[in-house]
Amino acid sequence: QSALTQPASVSGSPGQSITISCTGTSSDIGGYNYVSWYQQHPGRAPKLMIYDASNRPSGVSNRFSGSKSGNTASLTISGLQAEDEADYYCSSYTSSSTLVFGTGTKVTVL
Amino acid sequence: EVQLVESGGTLVQPGGSLRLSCAASGFTFNNYPMHWVRQAPGKGLEYVSAISDNGLNTYYANSVKGRFAISRDNSKNTLYLQMGSLRTEDTAVYYCAREGQGGAVGDYWGQGTLVTVSS
Repeated sequence: QSALTQPASVSGSPGQSITISCTGTSSDIGGYNYVSWYQQHPGRAPKLMIYDASNRPSGVSNRFSGSKSGNTASLTISGLQAEDEADYYCSSYTSSSTLVFGTGTKVTVL
Repeated sequence: EVQLVESGGTLVQPGGSLRLSCAASGFTFNNYPMHWVRQAPGKGLEYVSAISDNGLNTYYANSVKGRFAISRDNSKNTLYLQMGSLRTEDTAVYYCAREGQGGAVGDYWGQGTLVTVSS
């Protein structure tokens, strides 16, 4: 199972909105709504930000939103803040009943 | 408070074996599927394995299939990963993660345990 494709880096100024894409195939993203997004700060465990493509866990800021169209999922961060600077990973359920992660995106707040 | 605490990571030689543990507390362990995810130094997240809430169904990444075995002891609230025929490319921080309601994989994560495979 090949990793899902994410841009290596995305940047934005405080207050701006940015969008991270995550591209897969019909055997993963395109076939299921089980797409999740994780935030990871250096040296820390990942934190779930979005699940089932567009649902936010309790406690996650509503500045984070997710969507999916075809074989591509997206994470949008609105009102960018310094604390949002981190690595972000997508994941998807696959036709093999396993999970596959994205390549990861480093978000920089300018 | 939900807590997941991994242990067992250490330095091991190529070809060796190791068992990781993940002690769970703060929730009804036998109600939740569990996962192992790893992260090589400076690299991204990689799915390793998963197990159903009752332990009857297990799943593996192709990279570890036949070498690793996931299991759980619901009476001890503990998840395990038995690792064998270890390779240098298995060097990573290994995280256990809970699959929450609605299929939310990783609603809680442990702090990770480092496995180093080197001679």
